[in-house]
Amino acid sequence: GNSVTQMEGPVTLSEEAFLTINCTYTATGYPSLFWYVQYPGEGLQLLLKATKADDKGSNKGFEATYRKETTSFHLEKGSVQVSDSAVYFCALSSSSGSARQLTFGSGTQLTVLP
Amino acid sequence: GAVVSQHPSRVICKSGTSVKIECRSLDFQATTMFWYRQFPKQSLMLMATSNEGSKATYEQGVEKDKFLINHASLTLSTLTVTSAHPEDSSFYICSAGATGGKLFFGSGTQLSVL
Repeated sequence: GNSVTQMEGPVTLSEEAFLTINCTYTATGYPSLFWYVQYPGEGLQLLLKATKADDKGSNKGFEATYRKETTSFHLEKGSVQVSDSAVYFCALSSSSGSARQLTFGSGTQLTVLP
Repeated sequence: GAVVSQHPSRVICKSGTSVKIECRSLDFQATTMFWYRQFPKQSLMLMATSNEGSKATYEQGVEKDKFLINHASLTLSTLTVTSAHPEDSSFYICSAGATGGKLFFGSGTQLSVL
């Protein structure tokens, strides 16, 4: 079955540091890949996505590239801000794209210190 | 953007009591809502899919008599944990499907059963 393995947290960085949160997956077929973010007290929000190999999703300075050869979708940001403190979830969906087929990682808590 | 309101955000109850969690879509109609559960350091796991006006579809291993789901209107789904026990302590989160296949998440409910 499908699974997502995500870098364990918590991760604590200083402002303007470089961020990488690793995510690898196991899936049949050609899944779509997602990063969701949950800010304190809010619901999960879609941060970025990629639907096919070598696609790069980007949003708010975050990037992730769909690497089929390494089955990875690592999240990166060149210079984090205090406002990026949140929990980040990697997820995949089957080729059908149905929300019912979303498989999540365990989440990574990021804290950015001023 | 679309907002999903989930209430309560945190609840502590005694073993044997029932707890109701509400999930409302505030500015759109959701024919389908999803309920997830997350144990510490584990992934968000889909529990059930809630369809307005019909019975919920439960994932394998989820007891439908213990986790009662009601989706009586296009903007409200409820999850009732009946006769809660300490092993039911978990983080519960809902999501609502909007047109175009987009998903919007609630902020989650942390349930602690004493």
